[in-house]
Amino acid sequence: GNSVTQMEGPVTLSEEAFLTINCTYTATGYPSLFWYVQYPGEGLQLLLKATKADDKGSNKGFEATYRKETTSFHLEKGSVQVSDSAVYFCALSSGGSYIPTFGRGTSLIVHP
Amino acid sequence: NAGVTQTPKFQVLKTGQSMTLQCAQDMNHNSMYWYRQDPGMGLRLIYYSASEGTTDKGEVPNGYNVSRLNKREFSLRLESAAPSQTSVYFCASSEELGGSQETQYFGPGTRLLVL
Repeated sequence: GNSVTQMEGPVTLSEEAFLTINCTYTATGYPSLFWYVQYPGEGLQLLLKATKADDKGSNKGFEATYRKETTSFHLEKGSVQVSDSAVYFCALSSGGSYIPTFGRGTSLIVHP
Repeated sequence: NAGVTQTPKFQVLKTGQSMTLQCAQDMNHNSMYWYRQDPGMGLRLIYYSASEGTTDKGEVPNGYNVSRLNKREFSLRLESAAPSQTSVYFCASSEELGGSQETQYFGPGTRLLVL
């Protein structure tokens, strides 16, 4: 079946530091890959997505590249801000399974 | 355009009480979902509805029932609440279940405490 594995948090960084949150997956077929973000007290919202191998999704300074050879979709940002403090979820959707699959989430804490 | 709305925002129940969590979306989406979120467990799917008139069990359906009232509304019912059901509940919707490019849209959540 499908599965998503994310690095455990919390990830604690200083403002303007470089961010990487690792995500790897297993899936049947050719999945689409997503990063969702959950700000404190809110629901999840889509941050970025990629639908085929070598695609790069980007939004708000965040980027992730769909790497089929390593089955990975790592999230990166060059310079984080305090306002980026949130929980980040990696997810996949595959035509082989009708159920979207989420990772367990990685908490990011950014200090001034 | 409100997106996905959930009521109530917060609820306290005693063990054995029943309640219904309401969810509505105004995006004309076909598919709707109920998740629970617990610390260290991420999101777990309780039930989903691929289209109006259909519902199916997810990963953790025990103790819950759902109703897809119409295309807009998808409710979650706890018939006899237990402390293990203390959680944050999220409703979500998407255009079509099984579409490989689909994005899910989430409501703000209902925080439930069962004493």
